Amino acid sequence: KAGVTQTPRYLIKTRGQQVTLSCSPISGHRSVSWYQQTPGQGLQFLFEYFSETQRNKGNFPGRFSGRQFSNSRSEMNVSTLELGDSALYLCASSPRGGDEQYFGPGTRLTVT
Amino acid sequence: GDSVTQMEGPVTLSEEAFLTINCTYTATGYPSLFWYVQYPGEGLQLLLKATKADDKGSNKGFEATYRKETTSFHLEKGSVQVSDSAVYFCALSDGSSNTGKLIFGQGTTLQVKP
Repeated sequence: KAGVTQTPRYLIKTRGQQVTLSCSPISGHRSVSWYQQTPGQGLQFLFEYFSETQRNKGNFPGRFSGRQFSNSRSEMNVSTLELGDSALYLCASSPRGGDEQYFGPGTRLTVT
Repeated sequence: GDSVTQMEGPVTLSEEAFLTINCTYTATGYPSLFWYVQYPGEGLQLLLKATKADDKGSNKGFEATYRKETTSFHLEKGSVQVSDSAVYFCALSDGSSNTGKLIFGQGTTLQVKP
């Protein structure tokens, strides 16, 4: 089976802009979770989608949002970018959530 | 809330040395426990898991035992190789919500020298 794919792999944006990141889960996986990884804060949970519904949300401002499509592909959006949003954004999928997750290679976002 | 604490790194070992990376957790409910590994420039790879007390997860010579009495899940390997150099993350599933939320430790960098 193909693994989790994320696009784009690298992104440079300017403060105030918005950005959309995409994630395609492993075939048959219905749960998609998003994480932010930074040197200072480590790996932090953003949100999880299951069958097109947000099922859990981390402690991030409303500028961070996401959605999931009927084919389980997911997107996350960050509006009004801030310098502190520079991070590696990781997507992970699992069959149902609540068990092991399989991660994509991440999208490296740099905000200037 | 639930949390994971790992020993601070970096850990520097010579090839063929014994590895232990300590991990302790606090959790409500009955979480599953995981070790993930991250190589430079890549995402996280699942290394091993354990889903209940006294379970031992193992993979590629690494192993860890789910110890409920000491709330620990220490990672061990009998003989490390240079190729094991990476960052290792201990994680638990959010047992109270049973959703796709993992809580990670801060990561431990392992450097193995020839």
